[in-house]
Amino acid sequence: TQLLKQSPQFLSIQEGENLTVYCNSSSVFSSLQWYRQEPGEGPVLLVTVVTGGEVKKLKRLTFQFGDARKDSSLHITAAQPGDTGLYLCAGGTGANNLFFGTGTRLTVIP
Amino acid sequence: NAGVMQNPRHLVRRRGQEARLRCSPMKGHSHVYWYRQLPEEGLKFMVYLQKENIIDESGMPKERFSAEFPKEGPSILRIQQVVRGDSAAYFCASSTVGAGTGNTEAFFGQGTRLTVV
Repeated sequence: TQLLKQSPQFLSIQEGENLTVYCNSSSVFSSLQWYRQEPGEGPVLLVTVVTGGEVKKLKRLTFQFGDARKDSSLHITAAQPGDTGLYLCAGGTGANNLFFGTGTRLTVIP
Repeated sequence: NAGVMQNPRHLVRRRGQEARLRCSPMKGHSHVYWYRQLPEEGLKFMVYLQKENIIDESGMPKERFSAEFPKEGPSILRIQQVVRGDSAAYFCASSTVGAGTGNTEAFFGQGTRLTVV
């Protein structure tokens, strides 16, 4: 089982601040996905990156896949209370499996 | 097109009983994943199935746990002789092709929260 470690585990910031969440592994992945999970719900996909070095932007969210396809980062600009949630990275393997990271709980304080 | 349906949403079992968790994938999806989640933690992979076949069960405990995805009907995660440590949220996800390819996303159900008393 591939291990994806996310940091930080918990993050509490003021509205308007910027933040970065990291997802690191010693394994190489064919794809890297980021999900967000609300309490009592299942995770919902935010973005998928498949190419080493790839950068994708989704409004205030910027996702990057490491050159070696072992790590990824999620950067949020000017965080808003609506960004509060559990952020999960997930690595895809050549066998089509999907392994999730340890999660980052983000709280944005108004 | 209904989403991934899991039932029951909440399940309470006494120690030693059996728990059966059901997952109906989205229409047209033949790949199903089961994950377990403890509060404030990520999703721990359990098993990956494709219609009638177990593709990867490396995350499943060797004893008491089993999973199936029959040709007809929902995928079932079965836990025999439950213990308190089995209490967790169990999520299933489905996709059209393997979600690890990056060519598709995994759609999740709302989970089943199992409480063992």
